[in-house]
Amino acid sequence: EDQVTQSPEALRLQEGESSSLNCSYTVSGLRGLFWYRQDPGKGPEFLFTLYSAGEEKEKERLKATLTKKESFLHITAPKPEDSATYLCAVQAVGGGATNKLIFGTGTLLAVQP
Amino acid sequence: NAGVMQNPRHLVRRRGQEARLRCSPMKGHSHVYWYRQLPEEGLKFMVYLQKENIIDESGMPKERFSAEFPKEGPSILRIQQVVRGDSAAYFCASSAGMNTEAFFGQGTRLTVV
Repeated sequence: EDQVTQSPEALRLQEGESSSLNCSYTVSGLRGLFWYRQDPGKGPEFLFTLYSAGEEKEKERLKATLTKKESFLHITAPKPEDSATYLCAVQAVGGGATNKLIFGTGTLLAVQP
Repeated sequence: NAGVMQNPRHLVRRRGQEARLRCSPMKGHSHVYWYRQLPEEGLKFMVYLQKENIIDESGMPKERFSAEFPKEGPSILRIQQVVRGDSAAYFCASSAGMNTEAFFGQGTRLTVV
């Protein structure tokens, strides 16, 4: 069964303290891995898509990397406004024409000033 | 360029009533997805539609739930005879194609009393 596991469940950082969030996945075949940010009471906001092992993408203080079994979201010198829940999702190859995303339960990040 | 629009943002229904949730995709997007987010749980796929067609409904409960995406107008997720367990946030997403990123709306928060 296709599955996504995120760790840690929650992470508290001081402003400027860099860290990484982990997303481990098990899929029959990976079509794409997606990172989203979700603020309380809002919908997920798209951040990155990664398609193949070794791929990296960056946006401001965030950098996403991908291996054959997991992805990392690195946060460099975070600011309080980076506080949110970060969601990882995979799209699996096969299963017909479905485009569905399989989500992990997220990492709740709190950055304190 | 308006994003994915969902309405209403909040919906309260008594047990046994019907709930209708609406979603207008981003301009130029013809693929629509519905997800449900229960308290303390991750986003769960419900259904994937293209104009006038249901492509994948593997995540839809067998009874009381239905979805459509007509040729004209928004996509509708309908829940008949709602029960307390249907209380959740329902998110709609849209994409331009099969292998492109999905963008989410702000969600409809359904409360069944």
